[in-house]
Amino acid sequence: NAGVTQTPKFRILKIGQSMTLQCTQDMNHNYMYWYRQDPGMGLKLIYYSVGAGITDKGEVPNGYNVSRSTTEDFPLRLELAAPSQTSVYFCASSRGDSRFQPQHFGDGTRLSIL
Amino acid sequence: QQQVKQSPQSLIVQKGGISIINCAYENTAFDYFPWYQQFPGKGPALLIAIRPDVSEKKEGRFTISFNKSAKQFSLHIMDSQPGDSATYFCAASIMSGGTSYGKLTFGQGTILTVHP
Repeated sequence: NAGVTQTPKFRILKIGQSMTLQCTQDMNHNYMYWYRQDPGMGLKLIYYSVGAGITDKGEVPNGYNVSRSTTEDFPLRLELAAPSQTSVYFCASSRGDSRFQPQHFGDGTRLSIL
Repeated sequence: QQQVKQSPQSLIVQKGGISIINCAYENTAFDYFPWYQQFPGKGPALLIAIRPDVSEKKEGRFTISFNKSAKQFSLHIMDSQPGDSATYFCAASIMSGGTSYGKLTFGQGTILTVHP
């Protein structure tokens, strides 16, 4: 059982480039999330989705876009990469059909923007 | 209102000792308090969680203590082992009401090192 899979694991971008971070889950979870993790700052929510076709902003959405065309996939797009977007990005999912369901995380994408 | 404050930033304990990590929150609407454990190069994984209707929850060597009036909760790791060396995050969420969609507010994280 793969769980939550993120690709790529590492990426270096130049300022102004764009890229898509991929996230897929095989647990048939309704809810999916994107977080960024910066040293000493914990994890901050970027965007989330409660089902195919439904997305909403989290705490730090500026500079990012998402889409959710299927239950399994929740890609995160950076349109104009900036040094402030250097971070580790985590995708997570949860069942969402009852209370107190844990979030399951992927192993992250480490992104450097130079 | 949405912040969760975690301390200490880092913690070093000897094997067999007790590790204690503390968190405080402001938003009284939070009703789910999980702790996540993260090893280097991996994503966070749920370790243990508590709801505010109980004051303590224990799972093996890991215990959450919850003080609703003080708006504080803590993780205690008994008989700490080198394999417990990891980063620990507390978090909080509003699970009831159906409008928060399980969104988590994380603390800043604590890097735990257990020396053999």
